[in-house]
Amino acid sequence: EDQVTQSPEALRLQEGESSSLNCSYTVSGLRGLFWYRQDPGKGPEFLFTLYSAGEEKEKERLKATLTKKESFLHITAPKPEDSATYLCAVHRGGSYIPTFGRGTSLIVHP
Amino acid sequence: NAGVTQTPKFQVLKTGQSMTLQCAQDMNHEYMSWYRQDPGMGLRLIHYSVGAGITDQGEVPNGYNVSRSTTEDFPLRLLSAAPSQTSVYFCASSPRGQGGLMNTEAFFGQGTRLTVV
Repeated sequence: EDQVTQSPEALRLQEGESSSLNCSYTVSGLRGLFWYRQDPGKGPEFLFTLYSAGEEKEKERLKATLTKKESFLHITAPKPEDSATYLCAVHRGGSYIPTFGRGTSLIVHP
Repeated sequence: NAGVTQTPKFQVLKTGQSMTLQCAQDMNHEYMSWYRQDPGMGLRLIHYSVGAGITDQGEVPNGYNVSRSTTEDFPLRLLSAAPSQTSVYFCASSPRGQGGLMNTEAFFGQGTRLTVV
Protein backbone atom coordinates (compact mmCIF):
# COMPACT_ATOMS: atom_id res chain seq x y z
CA GLU A 1 0.00 0.00 0.00
CA ASP A 2 1.31 3.40 -0.97
CA GLN A 3 1.94 5.81 1.90
CA VAL A 4 2.73 9.51 2.11
CA THR A 5 3.70 11.15 5.38
CA GLN A 6 4.15 14.88 5.64
CA SER A 7 5.99 16.61 8.46
CA PRO A 8 5.67 18.71 10.40
CA GLU A 9 1.87 18.89 10.61
CA ALA A 10 2.13 22.60 11.36
CA LEU A 11 4.93 25.12 11.09
CA ARG A 12 5.12 28.72 12.23
CA LEU A 13 7.84 30.95 10.82
CA GLN A 14 8.80 34.55 11.06
CA GLU A 15 8.94 36.45 7.81
CA GLY A 16 12.35 35.82 6.26
CA GLU A 17 13.01 32.66 8.29
CA SER A 18 13.81 29.91 5.76
CA SER A 19 12.75 26.33 6.40
CA SER A 20 11.82 23.02 4.75
CA LEU A 21 8.74 20.83 4.63
CA ASN A 22 9.16 17.08 4.33
CA CYS A 23 7.21 14.48 2.36
CA SER A 24 8.25 10.87 2.98
CA TYR A 25 6.77 8.27 0.70
CA THR A 26 6.53 4.56 0.14
CA VAL A 27 5.37 3.63 -3.34
CA SER A 28 6.09 0.83 -5.75
CA GLY A 29 7.48 2.35 -8.92
CA LEU A 30 7.16 6.11 -8.45
CA ARG A 31 5.76 7.74 -11.54
CA GLY A 32 5.56 11.26 -10.19
CA LEU A 33 5.51 13.27 -6.97
CA PHE A 34 3.39 16.41 -6.75
CA TRP A 35 3.35 19.46 -4.53
CA TYR A 36 0.27 21.65 -4.16
CA ARG A 37 -0.60 24.72 -2.15
CA GLN A 38 -4.08 25.06 -0.63
CA ASP A 39 -5.47 28.26 0.86
CA PRO A 40 -8.38 28.04 3.35
CA GLY A 41 -11.69 27.47 1.60
CA LYS A 42 -10.04 27.04 -1.80
CA GLY A 43 -9.05 24.17 -4.02
CA PRO A 44 -5.42 23.02 -4.25
CA GLU A 45 -3.10 24.93 -6.55
CA PHE A 46 -0.50 22.96 -8.48
CA LEU A 47 3.12 23.83 -7.73
CA PHE A 48 5.49 21.11 -9.00
CA THR A 49 5.80 17.64 -10.46
CA LEU A 50 9.02 15.71 -9.81
CA TYR A 51 9.67 12.52 -11.74
CA SER A 52 12.95 11.02 -10.58
CA ALA A 53 15.45 11.14 -7.74
CA GLY A 54 17.83 14.05 -7.99
CA GLU A 55 15.36 16.29 -9.76
CA GLU A 56 14.83 19.83 -8.47
CA LYS A 57 12.34 22.53 -9.44
CA GLU A 58 12.02 26.14 -8.36
CA LYS A 59 9.28 28.73 -8.35
CA GLU A 60 9.84 32.09 -6.69
CA ARG A 61 10.73 31.36 -3.04
CA LEU A 62 9.94 27.64 -3.33
CA LYS A 63 12.30 24.83 -4.30
CA ALA A 64 11.28 21.18 -4.44
CA THR A 65 13.75 18.31 -4.36
CA LEU A 66 13.33 14.55 -4.64
CA THR A 67 15.22 11.52 -3.37
CA LYS A 68 14.22 7.85 -3.53
CA LYS A 69 12.47 8.09 -0.16
CA GLU A 70 11.39 11.68 0.33
CA SER A 71 10.83 15.11 -1.09
CA PHE A 72 11.55 18.47 0.46
CA LEU A 73 9.86 21.76 -0.20
CA HIS A 74 12.35 24.47 0.74
CA ILE A 75 10.95 27.92 1.42
CA THR A 76 13.52 30.71 1.26
CA ALA A 77 12.83 34.00 3.04
CA PRO A 78 9.09 33.35 3.31
CA LYS A 79 6.50 36.12 3.30
CA PRO A 80 3.09 36.15 5.01
CA GLU A 81 1.44 35.42 1.65
CA ASP A 82 3.21 32.03 1.63
CA SER A 83 0.94 30.99 4.50
CA ALA A 84 -1.11 28.00 3.33
CA THR A 85 -1.37 24.24 3.62
CA TYR A 86 1.12 22.44 1.40
CA LEU A 87 0.08 19.03 0.07
CA CYS A 88 2.25 16.26 -1.31
CA ALA A 89 0.99 13.38 -3.47
CA VAL A 90 2.50 10.44 -5.33
CA HIS A 91 1.46 8.45 -8.38
CA ARG A 92 2.83 4.98 -8.93
CA GLY A 93 3.37 3.31 -12.25
CA GLY A 94 0.32 1.75 -13.87
CA SER A 95 -2.20 3.68 -11.77
CA TYR A 96 -4.11 6.91 -12.15
CA ILE A 97 -4.97 6.93 -8.45
CA PRO A 98 -2.77 9.27 -6.39
CA THR A 99 -1.97 8.98 -2.70
CA PHE A 100 -2.06 12.30 -0.87
CA GLY A 101 -0.45 13.23 2.40
CA ARG A 102 -2.38 15.08 5.09
CA GLY A 103 -0.51 18.30 4.44
CA THR A 104 1.64 20.77 6.36
CA SER A 105 -0.02 23.95 7.57
CA LEU A 106 2.43 26.85 7.25
CA ILE A 107 1.90 30.20 8.94
CA VAL A 108 4.36 33.01 8.28
CA HIS A 109 4.19 35.88 10.73
CA PRO A 110 5.14 39.41 9.62
CA ASN B 1 -11.24 33.53 -16.38
CA ALA B 2 -10.19 30.09 -17.56
CA GLY B 3 -10.41 27.33 -15.05
CA VAL B 4 -12.63 24.79 -13.37
CA THR B 5 -16.12 25.79 -12.27
CA GLN B 6 -17.95 23.80 -9.62
CA THR B 7 -21.54 24.26 -8.52
CA PRO B 8 -23.03 24.53 -5.98
CA LYS B 9 -20.55 25.84 -3.41
CA PHE B 10 -22.66 24.70 -0.46
CA GLN B 11 -25.37 22.06 -0.17
CA VAL B 12 -27.32 20.42 2.63
CA LEU B 13 -29.06 17.13 1.86
CA LYS B 14 -31.26 14.82 3.85
CA THR B 15 -30.27 11.18 4.12
CA GLY B 16 -31.52 9.30 1.08
CA GLN B 17 -31.76 12.29 -1.24
CA SER B 18 -29.88 12.35 -4.51
CA MET B 19 -28.11 15.23 -6.19
CA THR B 20 -25.58 16.11 -8.86
CA LEU B 21 -22.47 18.19 -8.34
CA GLN B 22 -21.56 20.03 -11.52
CA CYS B 23 -18.04 20.52 -12.86
CA ALA B 24 -16.99 22.29 -16.05
CA GLN B 25 -13.58 23.21 -17.46
CA ASP B 26 -12.75 25.41 -20.42
CA MET B 27 -9.11 24.46 -20.96
CA ASN B 28 -9.73 21.45 -23.23
CA HIS B 29 -8.02 19.17 -20.71
CA GLU B 30 -8.20 15.43 -21.35
CA TYR B 31 -8.23 14.41 -17.70
CA MET B 32 -10.87 15.22 -15.12
CA SER B 33 -11.34 13.87 -11.62
CA TRP B 34 -13.38 14.15 -8.44
CA TYR B 35 -11.89 14.15 -4.94
CA ARG B 36 -13.25 14.37 -1.45
CA GLN B 37 -11.39 16.04 1.40
CA ASP B 38 -12.13 15.09 4.99
CA PRO B 39 -10.55 16.47 8.18
CA GLY B 40 -7.37 14.65 9.15
CA MET B 41 -7.18 12.77 5.86
CA GLY B 42 -5.54 13.39 2.54
CA LEU B 43 -7.51 14.05 -0.60
CA ARG B 44 -9.06 10.84 -1.94
CA LEU B 45 -9.95 10.16 -5.53
CA ILE B 46 -13.58 9.20 -6.16
CA HIS B 47 -13.80 8.82 -9.95
CA TYR B 48 -11.75 10.00 -12.87
CA SER B 49 -11.92 10.31 -16.64
CA VAL B 50 -9.13 10.20 -19.21
CA GLY B 51 -11.31 11.51 -22.00
CA ALA B 52 -14.87 11.99 -23.19
CA GLY B 53 -16.80 8.74 -22.85
CA ILE B 54 -14.20 7.14 -20.57
CA THR B 55 -14.56 6.97 -16.80
CA ASP B 56 -13.10 4.78 -14.08
CA GLN B 57 -13.25 4.27 -10.34
CA GLY B 58 -10.87 5.86 -7.93
CA GLU B 59 -10.09 4.98 -4.35
CA VAL B 60 -13.55 5.64 -2.84
CA PRO B 61 -16.21 5.23 -5.58
CA ASN B 62 -19.07 3.65 -3.64
CA GLY B 63 -22.23 5.74 -3.58
CA TYR B 64 -21.17 7.94 -6.49
CA ASN B 65 -21.65 7.86 -10.24
CA VAL B 66 -20.02 9.90 -13.00
CA SER B 67 -20.31 10.37 -16.74
CA ARG B 68 -18.30 12.29 -19.29
CA SER B 69 -20.29 12.99 -22.41
CA THR B 70 -18.22 16.03 -23.38
CA THR B 71 -14.64 17.13 -22.79
CA GLU B 72 -15.85 20.10 -20.75
CA ASP B 73 -18.26 18.54 -18.25
CA PHE B 74 -17.83 15.91 -15.56
CA PRO B 75 -20.81 15.74 -13.16
CA LEU B 76 -20.74 13.70 -9.96
CA ARG B 77 -23.98 12.09 -8.84
CA LEU B 78 -24.77 11.06 -5.30
CA LEU B 79 -27.29 8.27 -5.62
CA SER B 80 -28.70 8.12 -2.07
CA ALA B 81 -26.92 10.51 0.27
CA ALA B 82 -25.56 9.22 3.57
CA PRO B 83 -24.02 11.13 6.51
CA SER B 84 -20.68 9.50 5.65
CA GLN B 85 -20.71 11.53 2.43
CA THR B 86 -20.50 14.79 4.35
CA SER B 87 -17.30 16.26 2.97
CA VAL B 88 -15.74 18.90 0.75
CA TYR B 89 -15.68 17.82 -2.88
CA PHE B 90 -13.19 19.05 -5.44
CA CYS B 91 -13.20 18.65 -9.18
CA ALA B 92 -9.92 18.86 -11.06
CA SER B 93 -8.80 18.90 -14.66
CA SER B 94 -5.35 18.43 -16.14
CA PRO B 95 -3.70 17.92 -19.49
CA ARG B 96 -2.08 14.61 -20.31
CA GLY B 97 1.28 14.74 -18.57
CA GLN B 98 4.62 13.06 -19.16
CA GLY B 99 3.98 9.38 -19.81
CA GLY B 100 0.23 9.95 -19.53
CA LEU B 101 0.48 11.08 -15.92
CA MET B 102 -2.63 12.69 -14.48
CA ASN B 103 -2.60 15.83 -12.28
CA THR B 104 0.47 17.52 -13.76
CA GLU B 105 -0.47 21.19 -14.12
CA ALA B 106 -3.85 20.34 -12.58
CA PHE B 107 -6.48 22.99 -11.95
CA PHE B 108 -8.90 22.48 -9.08
CA GLY B 109 -12.31 23.99 -8.61
CA GLN B 110 -13.28 26.01 -5.54
CA GLY B 111 -14.98 23.04 -3.94
CA THR B 112 -18.48 22.04 -2.84
CA ARG B 113 -19.10 21.78 0.88
CA LEU B 114 -21.75 19.07 1.31
CA THR B 115 -23.53 18.25 4.54
CA VAL B 116 -25.83 15.23 4.80
CA VAL B 117 -28.17 15.24 7.77
